[in-house]
Order: sequence, then C-alpha cells, then structure tokens
Amino acid sequence: AQSVTQPDIHITVSEGASLELRCNYSYGATPYLFWYVQSPGQGLQLLLKYFSGDTLVQGIKGFEAEFKRSQSSFNLRKPSVHWSDAAEYFCAVYWDNFNKFYFGSGTKLNVKP
Amino acid sequence: DAGVIQSPRHEVTEMGQEVTLRCKPISGHNSLFWYRQTMMRGLELLIYFNNNVPIDDSGMPEDRFSAKMPNASFSTLKIQPSEPRDSAVYFCASSLGGRNNEQFFGPGTRLTVL
Repeated sequence: AQSVTQPDIHITVSEGASLELRCNYSYGATPYLFWYVQSPGQGLQLLLKYFSGDTLVQGIKGFEAEFKRSQSSFNLRKPSVHWSDAAEYFCAVYWDNFNKFYFGSGTKLNVKP
Repeated sequence: DAGVIQSPRHEVTEMGQEVTLRCKPISGHNSLFWYRQTMMRGLELLIYFNNNVPIDDSGMPEDRFSAKMPNASFSTLKIQPSEPRDSAVYFCASSLGGRNNEQFFGPGTRLTVL
C-alpha cells in the first residue's frame, strides 16, 4: 500500500550543525515529492518540490533535498542550521494514479544554541 | 495577494453546537483542500474541491461534517453537532491546477469543543 514514512519524530541539533531529515515512501511508481515546514501556530509552507529532472533540488531558506529512486527516499538537508529553523517538517508525496496527497507524520526539529 | 485566509483563527464551543469554519483561497486558484491536524492522527485530508466541485470527500470522518464551495472565492466546513473529539486545527489550502501542484496553506483554525 502507498504510504509516506518519516522515521524521526523529534530531532535536536546544535545551531550551526548540519541537518538531514528522512523521508521514505512505499509504492513503486515515481511520485511527486514535497517538503513543507510548519512553524508553531502557522500553516504549512512549501520548502521545495521534485517532479522530474535533476534529483538534487534546492529550496528556500537554504534547504535542499535529494531524490533517490533506488532507496525510495527524499531526504531534506541543510548544511548549517539556524535557530529559526526550529519547526515541524512534513514530507508529502503525490502519485498520479491515486490522485491523492499523502503527508508524513512530521519531524519536529529542535535547535540548541 | 494576502494568501489563504481562514476565519476564525480560534473557536471554542460546547459539545452539540454547530461550528462553521471559513476559507478564502488565493485568487485564481481552482483547487481547495480542507485538512485536519491532531497530535494523534497528524495531518488528514478531509475533502478536495476542484473548480468548486467536491472531487474527493473520502476523508470526511462522518455525516456530522459537511463542506461547501458556493463560488471560487469561498468555502465552508461545517460540523453539526460538534463533539470533543473534533477538537483539532483545521487547515484550508489552495492550489492552481490539480493535486500535484504546490498547495498554499492558510494559518488554520484551532477548534476546541468542550
């Protein structure tokens, strides 16, 4: 069955350290892939998306993500985390044949000073 | 553009009362989505409209929930009667085109049913 998994519920990193948030999906067809960020009390904001082409995509706020078909993954990365990056991050997947968005359960990022 | 507008931002009501949440999508967007977010269940799609027509309401939890989109610039989500388990944050999102396009989210309505 189709699903999206974010295996890390909470992650804490020190300010200035690098960050990688994991996202895996099931089902074989290549999906459309998205990462959203939700700051406390706010709606979700799109960080980046992958539809096709270059598997390394750049987004806003210095984030990037790499699509790895062989691993069914779309991990989000940032080389140096800022305190303002503390938020919840959601991976989302869309498959044409299901015509439906699937959101992961989210990863809460805490940034230590 | 002001983005997706939702009202009210907070709603506290008593069990059994009717609740109406409102959404104004981004002008020109032709797809609108209602989501519910809770700690237990995460983010759930309730219903999806395209060109004001409900396309997929399979996420609507039960008959107490109903949604309408009378025109391209307004949608409502109604809960009647409300129950404490309906307490959640309800988000409206809109997009240009189909479901595979970027969705722009509103700030949400935090609903508390006592």
